[in-house]
Amino acid sequence: EAGVVQSPRYKIIEKKQPVAFWCNPISGHNTLYWYLQNLGQGPELLIRYENEEAVDDSQLPKDRFSAERLKGVDSTLKIQPAELGDSAVYLCASSPGGAGARGEAFFGQGTRLTVV
Amino acid sequence: AQRVTQPEKLLSVFKGAPVELKCNYSYSGSPELFWYVQYSRQRLQLLLRHISRESIKGFTADLNKGETSFHLKKPFAQEEDSAMYYCALRGGGADGLTFGKGTHLIIQP
Repeated sequence: EAGVVQSPRYKIIEKKQPVAFWCNPISGHNTLYWYLQNLGQGPELLIRYENEEAVDDSQLPKDRFSAERLKGVDSTLKIQPAELGDSAVYLCASSPGGAGARGEAFFGQGTRLTVV
Repeated sequence: AQRVTQPEKLLSVFKGAPVELKCNYSYSGSPELFWYVQYSRQRLQLLLRHISRESIKGFTADLNKGETSFHLKKPFAQEEDSAMYYCALRGGGADGLTFGKGTHLIIQP
C-alpha cells in the first residue's frame, strides 16, 4: 500500500506563474483534504471533498486558488498566479470518510513549493 | 471558533526522563482530539486519539474537558521519540482537523 501519493515533491517557480499539485488518495477513501503548512506552523485546512463534491472550501483563497476532484478519486490543487507568500508545504490527506465517520486521516508526503 | 494551543515550540529532555507535551483547545461542543507525529523525513501520521483510550509507543493522552486539555505523556523517553508532535481537534464527522503549531521534541542521549 503506497498510501496517499502526491506529486511533485518539490517545485520552484517564479512569482506570477501558475502551479499545480496532484494527489492520489488511498483506494476507497471518499474524503480528501488539502492542507497548507507554513514554516513553523501546523497544517491548515484549505478544502475538503466528499467524493467529487467540495463540501468545505471556506478557507480556500478563491481569487487565485482552485481545486478539483474529478470522478471522486484523484485531485489537483492549482495556484494562478503564485505569489511569494504561497511558499509552503501543501499536504493532501484522505480518510474513509462520510458524514458521521470517525476515520483516521492519512497524509501524503507533501509538495514543498518555493516561489521566487 | 475552534483553536488548538501548544505552548512549547521546543522541548528537550534526557533519555529515560518523563515527557509531557501540552495541548489546550477551545471548542464549544464535544470535540475529537488527536496527536499526530512527524519523524524526520517522514509523513505526518496519527499517534493516538482520545476515543481509543490506548497507549501507543508508550504514549498516553487523557482528555480533560474541565481544563480543555489533551496533554501527551510518556514515563520514560527514548531517543526514537525525537520528532515533531502536533495536537489536533476535529469538531465532528469528517470535518477537517484544526492543528496546533507543533512541539519539537528532542530526546538527548
